[in-house]
Amino acid sequence: EAQVTQNPRYLITVTGKKLTVTCSQNMNHEYMSWYRQDPGLGLRQIYYSMNVEVTDKGDVPEGYKVSRKEKRNFPLILESPSPNQTSLYFCASTLSGEQFFGPGTRLTVL
Amino acid sequence: EDQVTQSPEALRLQEGESSSLNCSYTVSGLRGLFWYRQDPGKGPEFLFTLYSAGEEKEKERLKATLTKKESFLHITAPKPEDSATYLCAVYTNAGKSTFGDGTTLTVKP
Repeated sequence: EAQVTQNPRYLITVTGKKLTVTCSQNMNHEYMSWYRQDPGLGLRQIYYSMNVEVTDKGDVPEGYKVSRKEKRNFPLILESPSPNQTSLYFCASTLSGEQFFGPGTRLTVL
Repeated sequence: EDQVTQSPEALRLQEGESSSLNCSYTVSGLRGLFWYRQDPGKGPEFLFTLYSAGEEKEKERLKATLTKKESFLHITAPKPEDSATYLCAVYTNAGKSTFGDGTTLTVKP
């Protein structure tokens, strides 16, 4: 089954404790992206990657890092999380104009 | 700066009452315009991609159209199960995407 998976689905952490949210797709898509969704602000793109070893900033990249060492995985790294990074995060992959989203990761930073 | 504006913010319809959702955009280098459906607590579900003005796509009760400045999502004879938030997004040649805030549709039986 074609899918985008994210882990963990839920995470509560404390300020400053490094964390990684994993994203994996099994569709051999070249393009992958990370978004955060906040009430009243909609979906905002954090980072995107058009292929392996190619990443670019979206609209809200501050405080986040990504890597794309292989086509199927695109982890999101928060080196020093802060409370304003509390949000619902989505990973997505795209091929030929169809974009598939993961189920989301709800992150709370205390 | 790329901008996407959706209207209305919320729309309440009776079952069978057709209507349209609007997505207006300004973007440099449009590669495609996406429509999605999002149910509460879930990731957006892809509906359509439109690439050029004049293009139309249909899926069941939904039809999406595109002009140079806006896109419409027409819903014909909606059912309660069509209740969801509908999102519009533009995707540029540079690879960036920008979403609108969505239209929350409620269809009452």
